[in-house]
Amino acid sequence: DTEVTQTPKHLVMGMTNKKSLKCEQHMGHRAMYWYKQKAKKPPELMFVYSYEKLSINESVPSRFSPECPNSSLLNLHLHALQPEDSALYLCASSQDLRAGELFFGEGSRLTVL
Amino acid sequence: GESVGLHLPTLSVQEGDNSIINCAYSNSASDYFIWYKQESGKGPQFIIDIRSNMDKRQGQRVTVLLNKTVKHLSLQIAATQPGDSAVYFCAETDNYGQNFVFGPGTRLSVLP
Repeated sequence: DTEVTQTPKHLVMGMTNKKSLKCEQHMGHRAMYWYKQKAKKPPELMFVYSYEKLSINESVPSRFSPECPNSSLLNLHLHALQPEDSALYLCASSQDLRAGELFFGEGSRLTVL
Repeated sequence: GESVGLHLPTLSVQEGDNSIINCAYSNSASDYFIWYKQESGKGPQFIIDIRSNMDKRQGQRVTVLLNKTVKHLSLQIAATQPGDSAVYFCAETDNYGQNFVFGPGTRLSVLP
């Protein structure tokens, strides 16, 4: 069982909707990540938070807005998405930015109509 | 950078045989590598890692080999089992854990 919990597991939204994906870990990790994964493709990094501060933004469109309320939580706010944004969104955490292994959640499968 | 392909490579092996999954990387500055296993509908799961100061590391039924000269990484699975069927990704970083880049993945199918 993964120790990174993502909700919801599935989300269907229209292009005008506002929704959020949530991620939680209680391993005491100080780095958290959002990845996007399209079908039959590898995960692609979107954002990295380190000690609750945004460390990396891989030129992600502003319709994706990350938020790290505390060291255990990571949100991804979604607004005015496009159908091509449909994908599996994976959250991951690591002990620290340079501590190696990423622990992944099961992902939130997003469908944009 | 990473080795990018248009299709997901597939490896089919007989149950009980050994599997070898390969990964090429292009960033010569990469110094930390991880193999992940991703089953259908699940997130990637850590299998084994290796740092650039090593060329071989063994785990339970798995071995990772690193050849920095040709920028090649391989995952060997001994006595492959049906539960090993999944997509396997290599991941590299040049900063010991920041900004991992994933390879294109290989689908492993275990035949009965």
